[in-house]
Amino acid sequence: AQRVTQPEKLLSVFKGAPVELKCNYSYSGSPELFWYVQYSRQRLQLLLRHISRESIKGFTADLNKGETSFHLKKPFAQEEDSAMYYCALAHNNAGNMLTFGGGTRLMVKP
Amino acid sequence: DTEVTQTPKHLVMGMTNKKSLKCEQHMGHRAMYWYKQKAKKPPELMFVYSYEKLSINESVPSRFSPECPNSSLLNLHLHALQPEDSALYLCASSQEVTGLPTDTQYFGPGTRLTVL
Repeated sequence: AQRVTQPEKLLSVFKGAPVELKCNYSYSGSPELFWYVQYSRQRLQLLLRHISRESIKGFTADLNKGETSFHLKKPFAQEEDSAMYYCALAHNNAGNMLTFGGGTRLMVKP
Repeated sequence: DTEVTQTPKHLVMGMTNKKSLKCEQHMGHRAMYWYKQKAKKPPELMFVYSYEKLSINESVPSRFSPECPNSSLLNLHLHALQPEDSALYLCASSQEVTGLPTDTQYFGPGTRLTVL
């Protein structure tokens, strides 16, 4: 069965510090992984996806199939990065279903 | 229009009421989704519509009845709900359901439902 695990419910860092939000998955097929973000009083939105291999707002994430991980990283956190972050796995052989991890709340302190 | 809209923003209903949630998108997307999100939990998929046909029902109780009258509209009809059904109901849409890579899902702001 597919599963997405985000081990930290809350991550608190100071502005300018590096940040890493952990995501591990289990899936028997070829995974497609995403990071979605929800800023305060805003809708859930896509931050990045592994196939794009882009950096969005300074965030990057690399799919590590050996470790079944898709950790989200940013070298220097900003206060505006404070939000709820969800890692998600697409069941691409099951109608574009997304399974979300439990989420990590990132707080960036001044 | 590049957004998914949902109405109403908030809804309070009794256990005997019948109400409907509405979702609309004008991005030409052919896949639409309903998710349920309880407080401090991730979204959980309820239904998927592909080309206006129900393609996935994640074992949702029959007191939730989805409807897709056309490619831009998605409704969720509610009847005889329980207090534990209180949650944020999110609608999303994407270009397609099938094919790789998986299309990005665009989420609406949600309807916050309280069942008394």
